[in-house]
Amino acid sequence: GAVVSQHPSRVICKSGTSVKIECRSLDFQATTMFWYRQFPKQSLMLMATSNEGSKATYEQGVEKDKFLINHASLTLSTLTVTSAHPEDSSFYICSPAGRNQETQYFGPGTRLLVL
Amino acid sequence: EDKVVQSPLSLVVHEGDTVTLNCSYEVTNFRSLLWYKQEKKAPTFLFMLTSSGIEKKSGRLSSILDKKELFSILNITATQTGDSAVYLCAVINRTSGSRLTFGEGTQLTVNP
Repeated sequence: GAVVSQHPSRVICKSGTSVKIECRSLDFQATTMFWYRQFPKQSLMLMATSNEGSKATYEQGVEKDKFLINHASLTLSTLTVTSAHPEDSSFYICSPAGRNQETQYFGPGTRLLVL
Repeated sequence: EDKVVQSPLSLVVHEGDTVTLNCSYEVTNFRSLLWYKQEKKAPTFLFMLTSSGIEKKSGRLSSILDKKELFSILNITATQTGDSAVYLCAVINRTSGSRLTFGEGTQLTVNP
């Protein structure tokens, strides 16, 4: 399977701070990056889709000014949770996709806890 | 809107039992169905199914797709405690690139 890394794996922050999560695709060029969020005991929900070099497309109900996505290169995408609140506490998972890639693989995820 | 429904939502079995997990879907322009296993981390890929009636197998796990009846099953034989996890089913719509729509998952607990 594809090699995908995410950093940090776990972060605890105070309410009102911003948190940046990095996702790296280590062995293929990720032309598309999917960002998912998973609350406890729930399934994965797609937050946004970004294509390298262009603006992200956000799912309904996901605030684009709160969840900033940058996909400036084919190996790196970042998700910044701005002014985080306790309700943003969740498991954030990236999933890079190549141009002709069928199967989706996931990064190891980042657990965010906002106090 | 694409929809994926998994059943049961939760299942408790003893080691050695065989389990069958179900996934039904409604997709406007179906491309593939995928199964994942999730423990206390990100999901790991198990199978991708595109054609009806062709069983995919990996060790004690197997899966098959029925595109006429719009469902898939995941079988696990001779279950082990290490099989305890949430099993997620997801579909890909041809018109939405590689975007996945997930079901709620089945929480499988295998007791010794």
